[in-house]
Amino acid sequence: GESVGLHLPTLSVQEGDNSIINCAYSNSASDYFIWYKQESGKGPQFIIDIRSNMDKRQGQRVTVLLNKTVKHLSLQIAATQPGDSAVYFCAENPYNFNKFYFGSGTKLNVKP
Amino acid sequence: DVKVTQSSRYLVKRTGEKVFLECVQDMDHENMFWYRQDPGLGLRLIYFSYDVKMKEKGDIPEGYSVSREKKERFSLILESASTNQTSMYLCASSLGGLAGQQYFGPGTRLTVT
Repeated sequence: GESVGLHLPTLSVQEGDNSIINCAYSNSASDYFIWYKQESGKGPQFIIDIRSNMDKRQGQRVTVLLNKTVKHLSLQIAATQPGDSAVYFCAENPYNFNKFYFGSGTKLNVKP
Repeated sequence: DVKVTQSSRYLVKRTGEKVFLECVQDMDHENMFWYRQDPGLGLRLIYFSYDVKMKEKGDIPEGYSVSREKKERFSLILESASTNQTSMYLCASSLGGLAGQQYFGPGTRLTVT
């Protein structure tokens, strides 16, 4: 929503640069993770997911890295574009039940 | 494409009113969810449903109830709206079975005065 971006950590990057958004998750039992993108006035949109048996997964212009040792997740966006400007959330899922826990998000601001 | 629709984008209600938020999904998903989203707090789960007439409390169910009479529709009810329920409400759906991607609606911004 419109006010989602308030009070959030903000990452500002130049168009064409690579972006790295980080997320620390809390439950060592979590075995499935999703990154969502939320543009102003819209609901969250799936970007990429990863299961705990993987360290890395690549999509189109995006890569997710998972470090289970330190419970850290990152989203890398290559050649960042103005259309990438949004709030990005990670979500963790422990025990494979259909219940996710969401981070508070990072606002990505792409400067033209 | 999966489509999740919510009945209203913006809603203004008075304290004490009963409020209904409706959500419909068109992909025959078993699971449906209601979240609220507040600045700096992320998404918090209010209720979810894994089948018709089935419901489970999420992390913040107080002051809310839900109804799922048909597979495609999941309603969130605020029995007596209060100002601390002013928020963005997001509905989502997903397939049954193993945990997977949730598809979100556009959200309803509810203001309680």
